[in-house]
Amino acid sequence: GENVEQHPSTLSVQEGDSAVIKCTYSDSASNYFPWYKQELGKRPQLIIDIRSNVGEKKDQRIAVTLNKTAKHFSLHITETQPEDSAVYFCAALHAGGTSYGKLTFGQGTILTVHP
Amino acid sequence: DVKVTQSSRYLVKRTGEKVFLECVQDMDHENMFWYRQDPGLGLRLIYFSYDVKMKEKGDIPEGYSVSREKKERFSLILESASTNQTSMYLCASSFIDTTGETQYFGPGTRLLVL
Repeated sequence: GENVEQHPSTLSVQEGDSAVIKCTYSDSASNYFPWYKQELGKRPQLIIDIRSNVGEKKDQRIAVTLNKTAKHFSLHITETQPEDSAVYFCAALHAGGTSYGKLTFGQGTILTVHP
Repeated sequence: DVKVTQSSRYLVKRTGEKVFLECVQDMDHENMFWYRQDPGLGLRLIYFSYDVKMKEKGDIPEGYSVSREKKERFSLILESASTNQTSMYLCASSFIDTTGETQYFGPGTRLLVL
């Protein structure tokens, strides 16, 4: 089955700096890679996703890159703000296969943005 | 706006008790999932269901069972609760889409087993 490794487990940055979180996956058939953000005491929510036919996707201050050859993908947050502080999870899925939408999640990264 | 609700936000149970956690979604999603969330371990899949009365084991099914009698409702059952099942339990739902999909999460149930 799929295995997703996420690093770092904790990340502390100053407001305005950039933050990068990296994930690797094992199943070359995986073709969908979402990122979820979980604020303290709240439910995880999708913030951005990327499919295997795309190398990079941006949405305002967040971007995700995918390297299918190396089987890794990364989340980039620029100009970080205190409200970006949360736990971030990456995930991988073989959409269209027999996984029935079963995402495999990474272990999570606790991002703290200091004012 | 997708709504996924869970029956309780907090539960305290005793070792050996039978525990029911319920999840309801209102978007007619085919897929439903139960995860447990523990610090440093991320979200681990317990069971999932892709249709009414269908269920599949996830990565950590031991000590749990599930029931899906209606499309909108997915129940997680701890037959005999143990202290190592103290955790945050998250339910999610999604629709089938060959291009990828979004899972919508419930608010979570924090279970303490004494």
